[in-house]
Amino acid sequence: QKEVEQNSGPLSVPEGAIASLNCTYSDRGSQSFFWYRQYSGKSPELIMSIYSNGDKEDGRFTAQLNKASQYVSLLIRDSQPSDSATYLCASRLRSSGDKLTFGTGTRLAVRP
Amino acid sequence: DTGVSQDPRHKITKRGQNVTFRCDPISEHNRLYWYRQTLGQGPEFLTYFQNEAQLEKSRLLSDRFSAERPKGSFSTLEIQRTEQGDSAMYLCASSAKGSYEQYFGPGTRLTVT
Repeated sequence: QKEVEQNSGPLSVPEGAIASLNCTYSDRGSQSFFWYRQYSGKSPELIMSIYSNGDKEDGRFTAQLNKASQYVSLLIRDSQPSDSATYLCASRLRSSGDKLTFGTGTRLAVRP
Repeated sequence: DTGVSQDPRHKITKRGQNVTFRCDPISEHNRLYWYRQTLGQGPEFLTYFQNEAQLEKSRLLSDRFSAERPKGSFSTLEIQRTEQGDSAMYLCASSAKGSYEQYFGPGTRLTVT
């Protein structure tokens, strides 16, 4: 079982819709979670970090964490074609220093 | 505040050659990380430094790989006797003291022919 799992997609949504990206993790020692956006051929760009159960909102983005279910999600409201990218979920284990463990990413396509 | 920079951005080398990559972190970020990413995969951790101390190395980092951060500022990653399987994007990230958020540089794309 991979430490961080994501559906590879593609997830296709129409412009203006809410895109929901999901991520599960296997190690209950995971303490911090991050969402990165990666355009094709580019490096990952940090969008959100979340450390506590519940929701965290930043503009059109909302990260949700449920530690009991070992589940992290990212909601993108009013999706735009420019949001089309691969979204990477990453976790940091309390016991493994500062390294991040990434999922394989979910490709999002926003249709105009 | 400039971001993480990496040099070169692209490197093509022949199998068996040595290559060295450089990373300059965000100013005053005390932690620096190296990751490797291949097509269709997420970044995989290689090693990280806190100031000049190398605190962790992945099992992925064979003896052919070495990293340094001599003065706690920029870092270099050297790959000796490159193999075709080393072809990947090599990513550097940095984070500030007291923060777990890591910010990535543009990466160095290595192609071993």
